[in-house]
Amino acid sequence: DAKTTQPPSMDCAEGRAANLPCNHSTISGNEYVYWYRQIHSQGPQYIIHGLKNNETNEMASLIITEDRKSSTLILPHATLRDTAVYYCIVRVPYNTDKLIFGTGTRLQVFP
Amino acid sequence: EAGVAQSPRYKIIEKRQSVAFWCNPISGHATLYWYQQILGQGPKLLIQFQNNGVVDDSQLPKDRFSAERLKGVDSTLKIQPAKLEDSAVYLCASGTNTDTQYFGPGTRLTVL
Repeated sequence: DAKTTQPPSMDCAEGRAANLPCNHSTISGNEYVYWYRQIHSQGPQYIIHGLKNNETNEMASLIITEDRKSSTLILPHATLRDTAVYYCIVRVPYNTDKLIFGTGTRLQVFP
Repeated sequence: EAGVAQSPRYKIIEKRQSVAFWCNPISGHATLYWYQQILGQGPKLLIQFQNNGVVDDSQLPKDRFSAERLKGVDSTLKIQPAKLEDSAVYLCASGTNTDTQYFGPGTRLTVL
């Protein structure tokens, strides 16, 4: 079973920041938080991951609380192409273990 | 670099028929995964290969599903006979021992 909890859906206006929350209260000390997204009719796509420090790349920022029990994925300037289902996953890094997906958050970006 | 290729993209069959899906992973990726994604749910692992050996097939319904990865490159997933509940998207992914699994576009199967 997935070890994360996410809201089923969210809306965001184009150009505004999209903040997607994730709860992972049972995360272990050696587990990282990963985010993937799945655009309609495509396979999931890796976005970002982190352990405890805030992370940023060209796609998004990841904010992890100090107790590591929750995190927020931030898309700073959402576009219509960011409309997708976003999955938060916790796992031990640098291995080939399967990804365990929950039901994710369906983000709808509107004009 | 070329991504994970899958074919066909869509398939419609009647129940009790058989069907096969093909996957070509990213060159050099030793690990290959088949996931099943039922509408409204996240993907769920069916089988995982490391080179041409099976690592995890605990969630594969072995009475009707089979998969192989000859020569440690391409892979095929077969369903025989298909049931209505097998209607889903079948996703192939590949990776190495880094953090990222790369997914193909999937095959959407409809069983009538």
